[in-house]
Amino acid sequence: GNSVTQMEGPVTLSEEAFLTINCTYTATGYPSLFWYVQYPGEGLQLLLKATKADDKGSNKGFEATYRKETTSFHLEKGSVQVSDSAVYFCALSPSGYSTLTFGKGTMLLVSP
Amino acid sequence: DAGVIQSPRHEVTEMGQEVTLRCKPISGHNSLFWYRQTMMRGLELLIYFNNNVPIDDSGMPEDRFSAKMPNASFSTLKIQPSEPRDSAVYFCASSSSGPSGNTIYFGEGSWLTVV
Repeated sequence: GNSVTQMEGPVTLSEEAFLTINCTYTATGYPSLFWYVQYPGEGLQLLLKATKADDKGSNKGFEATYRKETTSFHLEKGSVQVSDSAVYFCALSPSGYSTLTFGKGTMLLVSP
Repeated sequence: DAGVIQSPRHEVTEMGQEVTLRCKPISGHNSLFWYRQTMMRGLELLIYFNNNVPIDDSGMPEDRFSAKMPNASFSTLKIQPSEPRDSAVYFCASSSSGPSGNTIYFGEGSWLTVV
C-alpha cells in the first residue's frame, strides 16, 4: 500500500538555522508529492508540491526535490524564522488517484 | 476566490447527541474529501466524493458516521449518536484534477468535542 514516513519531532531550532525535515514514501507508480503546513489552530495549507521525478517544489524559501531513486521528498529551508513554527506534513497522491496519504507530521519550533 | 468553507468551526456536544458538520467546496472543484485529525492517529481520510458520488468510504469508522453530497456545492458529515472518542478536528477538502496534478485544498476545520 501507500505510506509516508516523516522524521519524528519536535524539531527545535534557533532563528536563521538550516532546516531539514526528512520524508520517505512507499507507493506504486509515480505519485505526486506534497508538503502541507499547519499553523496552531488552523487548517492545512499547501506549501509546495512536485509531480514527477527530479522536480523541485519551492515556496516561501522552502524547497523539496522529488527523488525517485531514494523515494524521498525532504523539506529544506536555508534560514528559518520564528514564524515558521508549525507542524509540517508530507503527503503523496498516487498516480491516477485524487486522495492524499499523509505522514504523521513533524512539529517545528523556532526560537528567537 | 473563497476557499473551502466549513461550519461550525467549534462544537461542544454531549455524548449521544447528533452532530452535523457542513462543508462548501471551492467552486468548480469536482472532488471532496472529509479527513479527521487526532493526536493518536494523525490525519485519516474518512470519505471521498467525486462528482457528488461517494467513491471511497472505507475510512468511515462505523455506522454512526454518514456523509452526503446532495450537490456540487455542499456536503455534510453526520455523527449519530456521538461519543467522546469522536472528539477530533474534522477537515473538509476539495480538489480539481488537472494536468499539473491533483492539489487538495483544506478548510480550516471543525473542532469537535464530545463530553
